[in-house]
Amino acid sequence: DVKVTQSSRYLVKRTGEKVFLECVQDMDHENMFWYRQDPGLGLRLIYFSYDVKMKEKGDIPEGYSVSREKKERFSLILESASTNQTSMYLCASCCRDRRIPEQYFGPGTRLTVT
Amino acid sequence: DAKTTQPPSMDCAEGRAANLPCNHSTISGNEYVYWYRQIHSQGPQYIIHGLKNNETNEMASLIITEDRKSSTLILPHATLRDTAVYYCIVRGKLYGGATNKLIFGTGTLLAVQP
Repeated sequence: DVKVTQSSRYLVKRTGEKVFLECVQDMDHENMFWYRQDPGLGLRLIYFSYDVKMKEKGDIPEGYSVSREKKERFSLILESASTNQTSMYLCASCCRDRRIPEQYFGPGTRLTVT
Repeated sequence: DAKTTQPPSMDCAEGRAANLPCNHSTISGNEYVYWYRQIHSQGPQYIIHGLKNNETNEMASLIITEDRKSSTLILPHATLRDTAVYYCIVRGKLYGGATNKLIFGTGTLLAVQP
């Protein structure tokens, strides 16, 4: 069974803290993604990576950075957490078959910044 | 990538067919229609995709109009577990590298009623 795991389901951090969100996939996928999801705004792409050490900004990269040192792991970093980064964060990976654009999602991390 | 328009919410009776519409009037010739769904507290899940022919798999059917400006996702016998937000996404064919991102909108909340 394919799997994308995220390091925490719930996380509470203080303003100004450095926050690491980890994502691991066991499907040998080349592509990995970080989204955030907020009520009324849907899923918004923060960053994605199409290979080890390769990354591209998504639609809302400000305040975030990423790291992909190994193919199976993609980390999202909040350098200095702020309250407007309180959100649900979803990691995804793709693709098992390039003919089928199936992104596999993790369970999400609900981050609260106080 | 073409923009999509979906109704914010729909109801469906359990056991009946659920027909979820999506308008994508600016779709171009090489863009596919993808559908995902997100059940509460879970990450999105791929359902189906198509270019211009109707498609069917074990989860759903996808009907694309001849002019490709709209499509309908059909769940033939909706169950309570099909209650979810359904996302219609339009984008080009997946290739390698930095092109494999999907843009999620706000989707349609389908509520299946007992």
